[in-house]
Amino acid sequence: GAVVSQHPSRVICKSGTSVKIECRSLDFQATTMFWYRQFPKQSLMLMATSNEGSKATYEQGVEKDKFLINHASLTLSTLTVTSAHPEDSSFYICSAKGSVKNQPQHFGDGTRLSIL
Amino acid sequence: GEDVEQSLFLSVREGDSSVINCTYTDSSSTYLYWYKQEPGAGLQLLTYIFSNMDMKQDQRLTVLLNKKDKHLSLRIADTQTGDSAIYFCAESILSSNTGKLIFGQGTTLQVKP
Repeated sequence: GAVVSQHPSRVICKSGTSVKIECRSLDFQATTMFWYRQFPKQSLMLMATSNEGSKATYEQGVEKDKFLINHASLTLSTLTVTSAHPEDSSFYICSAKGSVKNQPQHFGDGTRLSIL
Repeated sequence: GEDVEQSLFLSVREGDSSVINCTYTDSSSTYLYWYKQEPGAGLQLLTYIFSNMDMKQDQRLTVLLNKKDKHLSLRIADTQTGDSAIYFCAESILSSNTGKLIFGQGTTLQVKP
């Protein structure tokens, strides 16, 4: 159980393009989803936390107009990287958890974003 | 502030036991987690322990928690080459209503045949 599906797994696109990444919980209701960014050989950096039906809470230093997050249902959250530039190239990972406090987060397989 | 520290690298021979260590600073931690990340993939939840427990065993995995020293360890018995990966320790802090996790830097486990 507790499967999280993330798509696409890899994206290569030109500078200036907007890219949407989807994160779905397949077998549980995800009241909270998290979006992370991971640089090579580094740990995960939390970008934002989203609760279903509410605006996302962004971590300090993360531009909310650049990284648009939508969590419209209990099984789907999306991250849109708007007008992406080469410095946005990274590995983006989502996670999801249910409503019980301290339930573990379950992670998607990540999206490798490469901006040319 | 909250901080989680791990050693960066561990190398063992196949069949030996591996012990990955983690220290944390937030005494209000409720749950502590171990995740495994293989190259190019997301994080896989391995096991977790509630802060009022000392030990948890699940097949080849044993988690030990020393709450006084704020030290957590993950022991992998009979380590296999398939265990080669990055292992992240994470703590869930009481002050977070959303279950936000604080991650360590990750320990790269190399298993030699």
